[in-house]
Order: sequence, then structure tokens, then C-alpha cells
Amino acid sequence: GDSVTQMEGPVTLSEEAFLTINCTYTATGYPSLFWYVQYPGEGLQLLLKATKADDKGSNKGFEATYRKETTSFHLEKGSVQVSDSAVYFCALSGRRGGSEKLVFGKGTKLTVNP
Amino acid sequence: DAGVIQSPRHEVTEMGQEVTLRCKPISGHNSLFWYRQTMMRGLELLIYFNNNVPIDDSGMPEDRFSAKMPNASFSTLKIQPSEPRDSAVYFCASTTEQGYEQYFGPGTRLTVT
Repeated sequence: GDSVTQMEGPVTLSEEAFLTINCTYTATGYPSLFWYVQYPGEGLQLLLKATKADDKGSNKGFEATYRKETTSFHLEKGSVQVSDSAVYFCALSGRRGGSEKLVFGKGTKLTVNP
Repeated sequence: DAGVIQSPRHEVTEMGQEVTLRCKPISGHNSLFWYRQTMMRGLELLIYFNNNVPIDDSGMPEDRFSAKMPNASFSTLKIQPSEPRDSAVYFCASTTEQGYEQYFGPGTRLTVT
């Protein structure tokens, strides 16, 4: 079945450092890919998405590119802030739309120190 | 828009008791998802509905768990009888049939002692 593997955490960075969180997937067909973020005590929020190969999703300074050849969707940010401290989840959907279930990775906890 | 509403936010109960979690999806959304989050297992999909019909309940752990969606604006997840290993945060999410983003509620933190 479909699956998502993301790097183990936790990740601790200093403010303004560069962030990469790796994510690879296994899926049949052409999935849509997502990054969700969960701030402490809250539910998940969509951070960015990409629905086809070579698409780049971006939001709030975060970026991720849908790489079909390497089945990857790595999350990057050039300069993290303390407010980026959260848990980040990579996810895929087997069809182009939200009404199909999402398959999530296990999450990567990011802590950014001032 | 009020977003996805879940109640209660916190529930503490004793083993063997019945627990009912409630969810009100965003108005106009016709897909609803129930997830469970634990440190050990991460985020797991339990069941999801399209247009009030259960589509996939393969994630429901066992017969002690049941979910209903009697109408487009309300869903329940019931655990009877509850066990300590059911302790987790339970999330409800909703989306439109053509939408990409699932909107999550704030979750219900369940503790079974």
C-alpha cells in the first residue's frame, strides 16, 4: 500500500538556520503530496501542497518540490524562526482531491532556539 | 467560519466506561475523517465518510470502536468499553469533495485510567 517515510526527529536549529526535512513516498499512480504543520496543542494545518511531478509548493517561506524520479518531497526553508517550532507531517493522497484519505508520515518535531 | 468543532476538548474516564466524541464539520464540506494520534503510532486514520456514508473503516482498531454520521453537520466516534490503550488525541477533519486541504479540528484528548 501507499506509504510515507520522513526523517526521524527531533530537529533542533538556531534561528536563521537552513532547514531540510526529508520525505519519500511509495504510491501507485500519481499521488498528490502535502506538508502539514501542527503547532503545540492544535490540530494540523496544511502548509503546502503539490499535485503533479515537478510542481513546487510554497508558503510562509517553506518550499517543497514534487520529484517523481526520486519519489521525494523534501521540505526546505532558508531561514527558520522561533515561531516555526512545530511538528511537520509529510502526507500523500492517492487521488487529486481531499476526499480521498491521506497517508501521513510519522512527523518530525522542529525546535528553533533564539 | 467557525472551523471544525470538536467536543469535548478533554475527556478523562475510567476503564470500561463508554466514551463519545463529537465533531461538527465545516458547513458545505461533504467528507469527514476521524484520526487518532499517539506518540507510539503517530497519526492514524480510523474512518472516513463521504456524503455521510462510511467509505473506509479499515483503521478502526476493533469492535469497541464505532462511528456514525447521521447528517452532514454531525459525527460521533464511540468507544465502548474504553481501555487505557485508547488514550490518545482524536482529531476530526473535513473537506470538500474536490478540495485538497483537510481542515482539522483542535482534537479531543482522551485519557482512560
